Amino acid sequence: DVKVTQSSRYLVKRTGEKVFLECVQDMDHENMFWYRQDPGLGLRLIYFSYDVKMKEKGDIPEGYSVSREKKERFSLILESASTNQTSMYLCASSFRLVTREQYFGPGTRLTVT
Amino acid sequence: GQQLNQSPQSMFIQEGEDVSMNCTSSSIFNTWLWYKQDPGEGPVLLIALYKAGELTSNGRLTAQFGITRKDSFLNISASIPSDVGIYFCAGQAGNQFYFGTGTSLTVIP
Repeated sequence: DVKVTQSSRYLVKRTGEKVFLECVQDMDHENMFWYRQDPGLGLRLIYFSYDVKMKEKGDIPEGYSVSREKKERFSLILESASTNQTSMYLCASSFRLVTREQYFGPGTRLTVT
Repeated sequence: GQQLNQSPQSMFIQEGEDVSMNCTSSSIFNTWLWYKQDPGEGPVLLIALYKAGELTSNGRLTAQFGITRKDSFLNISASIPSDVGIYFCAGQAGNQFYFGTGTSLTVIP
């Protein structure tokens, strides 16, 4: 079974803090994605990566950066957390875009106060 | 990015009833995916569809890839309490994934 894990299920951070969210997948997937999920807005793509050290902006990259130093690990960084970044963050991975199936982690509920 | 139109937004049904929900798009998709998400959890992939007209089952769940490639349907037969959750669709066109906003399902015992 595909397994995607995220470093924290719940996080509470203060405004201005630097926040790291980590995602690890164990299926040797090339592609990894970071989404945020908000009520009424659905899933919105922040960044994705199709290879080590490669990254592409999604629909809402402002205020975020990412790092992919190893194939299995994709990190989302909030350089200076703000209250409007309070959300559910979901990581996903897929073997190749052509296989077209994304598998999600359990999510991190981030609250910025 | 584009959001898919998913309906209904919510459903309240009696245990044992069948359920139908659908997603539509103005664009043609190469793939349709259906996920279920429990509260506070990540989405779990239920069914993947790759060809127009394809009909695929996973237990009591059946999904279809519309002939026009612009829609997809998910049916749940003989619902049970553990079917409760949010179901949402995803479509792929080129390198882009698009997601529906979800159907919230409540099953009344």
